[in-house]
Amino acid sequence: NAGVTQTPKFQVLKTGQSMTLQCAQDMNHEYMSWYRQDPGMGLRLIHYSVGAGITDQGEVPNGYNVSRSTTEDFPLRLLSAAPSQTSVYFCASSYDRKTDTQYFGPGTRLTVL
Amino acid sequence: AQTVTQSQPEMSVQEAETVTLSCTYDTSESDYYLFWYKQPPSRQMILVIRQEAYKQQNATENRFSVNFQKAAKSFSLKISDSQLGDAAMYFCAYRSEKGSNQFYFGTGTSLTVIP
Repeated sequence: NAGVTQTPKFQVLKTGQSMTLQCAQDMNHEYMSWYRQDPGMGLRLIHYSVGAGITDQGEVPNGYNVSRSTTEDFPLRLLSAAPSQTSVYFCASSYDRKTDTQYFGPGTRLTVL
Repeated sequence: AQTVTQSQPEMSVQEAETVTLSCTYDTSESDYYLFWYKQPPSRQMILVIRQEAYKQQNATENRFSVNFQKAAKSFSLKISDSQLGDAAMYFCAYRSEKGSNQFYFGTGTSLTVIP
């Protein structure tokens, strides 16, 4: 099993550009989520999904969109990048919403100029 | 929303010694889970240990153990016989038994292990 994979590992964008961060898992996990990690702030939940076709907002959803067309994939879209979205982004998955252990991807470091 | 506080931004420990990382949390719920995650320079988040709030017995995983004080809302991590590979950022996290499975993370403690 590859676990949770994320691409790209690094990305630089200009303000106003759009892009999609990819996340995939091969563990047949129902629950997937996106976090951003900023210095001195820990990890904050952006969006999450409890299964294919179902998504919901987390703590900091503004400026991001998600969709979940398959169990395996959970892409995060930045519609119009802003410098405030410079961060490290983590995707995570777990078997279901009641399972405590989340498995994290390696992260994507995004810089918005 | 629940809050998780780690009041020690940085800690250091001599190799083979013991170190304790502190974590407090705020919640009105009675059923929840608590976790410690390790993040080495590779950035990968690795689960170290978990504790169910309904269990009075403190969780232990090899050299890692917790001191869970439910009434005080405290959840500290003790690392015994510290090794160079323990150097990392450590995050305390809270998850409610109910609702969205959302995790709330503390701001982290950077642990340095001195040879």
